[in-house]
Amino acid sequence: NAGVTQTPKFQVLKTGQSMTLQCAQDMNHEYMSWYRQDPGMGLRLIHYSVGAGITDQGEVPNGYNVSRSTTEDFPLRLLSAAPSQTSVYFCASSYRGLQEAQYFGPGTRLTVL
Amino acid sequence: AQRVTQPEKLLSVFKGAPVELKCNYSYSGSPELFWYVQYSRQRLQLLLRHISRESIKGFTADLNKGETSFHLKKPFAQEEDSAMYYCALTNTGANSKLTFGKGITLSVRP
Repeated sequence: NAGVTQTPKFQVLKTGQSMTLQCAQDMNHEYMSWYRQDPGMGLRLIHYSVGAGITDQGEVPNGYNVSRSTTEDFPLRLLSAAPSQTSVYFCASSYRGLQEAQYFGPGTRLTVL
Repeated sequence: AQRVTQPEKLLSVFKGAPVELKCNYSYSGSPELFWYVQYSRQRLQLLLRHISRESIKGFTADLNKGETSFHLKKPFAQEEDSAMYYCALTNTGANSKLTFGKGITLSVRP
């Protein structure tokens, strides 16, 4: 199993550009989530999904959209990038929910100029 | 609202010294607590959770509901323990979320 994969590893955007961060898992996990990691802030939940077709907002959802059309994929879309979205983004998954171990992807380092 | 506080950003100890990474939480219901670790150039991964009551890599953590704490301890630190450690909290209720603390960097010197 590849586990949780994320692409790209690095990305530089200009303010106002849009892009999609990809996340996929091959463990048949129902629960998937996106976090951003900022220095001194820890990890903050952006959006999460409890299964295909179901998504919900986390702590810092503004400026991001998600969809969950399949169990395997959970892409994160930046609608109009802003410098405040410069961060490291992590995708995570677990079999059923938060009471289980979350499996994290390797992260995407995004810089918005 | 649930909150996790890790009061220190950095802990530096010598190899063989005891380690205690502090974690305090705020939640009115029945919490479930975890410690996650991120070694250099590796993914964030689960170290241990209170419900398992297990020792992983020599680390233990006891949930103290009276003090609302879940401190991570190891009696003798090793250089390979150097990493970033995050305490995290969730609950069993509806619409639960996983809340992380800000993390602490543990540096174990030879």
